[in-house]
Amino acid sequence: DTGVSQNPRHKITKRGQNVTFRCDPISEHNRLYWYRQTLGQGPEFLTYFQNEAQLEKSRLLSDRFSAERPKGSFSTLEIQRTEQGDSAMYLCASSLVPGGILVNEQFFGPGTRLTVL
Amino acid sequence: AQTVTQSQPEMSVQEAETVTLSCTYDTSESDYYLFWYKQPPSRQMILVIRQEAYKQQNATENRFSVNFQKAAKSFSLKISDSQLGDAAMYFCAYGETSGSRLTFGEGTQLTVNP
Repeated sequence: DTGVSQNPRHKITKRGQNVTFRCDPISEHNRLYWYRQTLGQGPEFLTYFQNEAQLEKSRLLSDRFSAERPKGSFSTLEIQRTEQGDSAMYLCASSLVPGGILVNEQFFGPGTRLTVL
Repeated sequence: AQTVTQSQPEMSVQEAETVTLSCTYDTSESDYYLFWYKQPPSRQMILVIRQEAYKQQNATENRFSVNFQKAAKSFSLKISDSQLGDAAMYFCAYGETSGSRLTFGEGTQLTVNP
């Protein structure tokens, strides 16, 4: 399978615990994005990388959140001291830029559903 | 900041009929991309169709077509010959030419009745 993969698919944790999610993009894609989606809403942008450089972070990404893409391939999103309000689907997407007509077409993974008890 | 609005939380259509989903957006940019994504229940989001703002011609992909009205900042999706597999949440999204974030609307839940 050459699509975007995310692990784990589901995570249940207790309030105050730390969690880490992993995203593996499509292999030749140089950009990787993280979004958060709450029930019944559209995805909200969190951050994105070009290769290993983190180019933009949303105000939604509080200091409890950190994302890395150490070698420009897979990425991790860590949430420290989780809160119930962090419960959501965390989506990863990747794209190839520049890419001619494919510029800015983002391919999404299946997401990691986080439940904070 | 760009915003995307989908004013129809839910829509339904009979199988084989045509349905149109609405989307409006706000931007001060002259060049950008617009997308419709489909998110089936418990499945990942997939791209349905995209439109480059500099192109006047409306995009089409098989049974899916858009009505892009740049001056009105409107971008509707028409699904012809609706099929049961079209049932999903549909999101309209705005993308900058820099290839950075996508800004999504709230979504429209489409039900296809047999």
